[in-house]
Amino acid sequence: QVQLQESGPGLVKPSETLSLTCTVSGGALRSYYWSWIRQPPGKGLEWIGYMYYSGSTNYNPSLKSRVTMSADTSKNQFSLKLNSVTAADTAVYYCARLLPIVGTTTHFDFWGQGILVTVSS
Amino acid sequence: SYVLTQPPSVSVAPGQTARFTCGGNNIGSKSVHWYQQKPGQPLLVVYDDNDRPSGIPERFSGSNSGNTATLTISRVEDGDEADYYCQAWDRSTDHPVFGGGTKLTVL
Repeated sequence: QVQLQESGPGLVKPSETLSLTCTVSGGALRSYYWSWIRQPPGKGLEWIGYMYYSGSTNYNPSLKSRVTMSADTSKNQFSLKLNSVTAADTAVYYCARLLPIVGTTTHFDFWGQGILVTVSS
Repeated sequence: SYVLTQPPSVSVAPGQTARFTCGGNNIGSKSVHWYQQKPGQPLLVVYDDNDRPSGIPERFSGSNSGNTATLTISRVEDGDEADYYCQAWDRSTDHPVFGGGTKLTVL
């Protein structure tokens, strides 16, 4: 059974960079896409971006200018950096596995438990 | 960009049937996936319109046609109380799209 675990600071100051890591156990990064999704308090799910294990990325256009995702296959980890954060970036951040696209669709089959990141001075 | 629309809330009594709609332009031409979220992370309950992951009860089923996809929960239990999100894939951008979610209240 694949398991994902987010880690990183729970508090980030405005204008600074949010950095999170997702550690994958029970399976390799290889052959899958890996994604970050966030959920502001009391609101719905917002997709941030995904990356293939080899490094190619695809980001939400609304966040693209501030987002960087990368992977370390030797550690079975992938990471998220979101710069110039504001209070609007306060959310629970989830990492998730995205299955390879088959035909015209794909979905998220495994999710981390989520980590609350608060942006505040 | 592609938009999915869900009603904010659904209420049913235990033992009854709950239906969640997910509206989108010609959504019947896409595959729709459904997630259940109790406090904590989302859980995939239906994928590719009407397939269930291992461990998901047969009470959960889905359909998709025209401009509406539907998740149906039969014989609703107290433990089904949660938020339910639909998700599709926008092939023109290769982006996932989520609906806004529907909160199920079991009366």
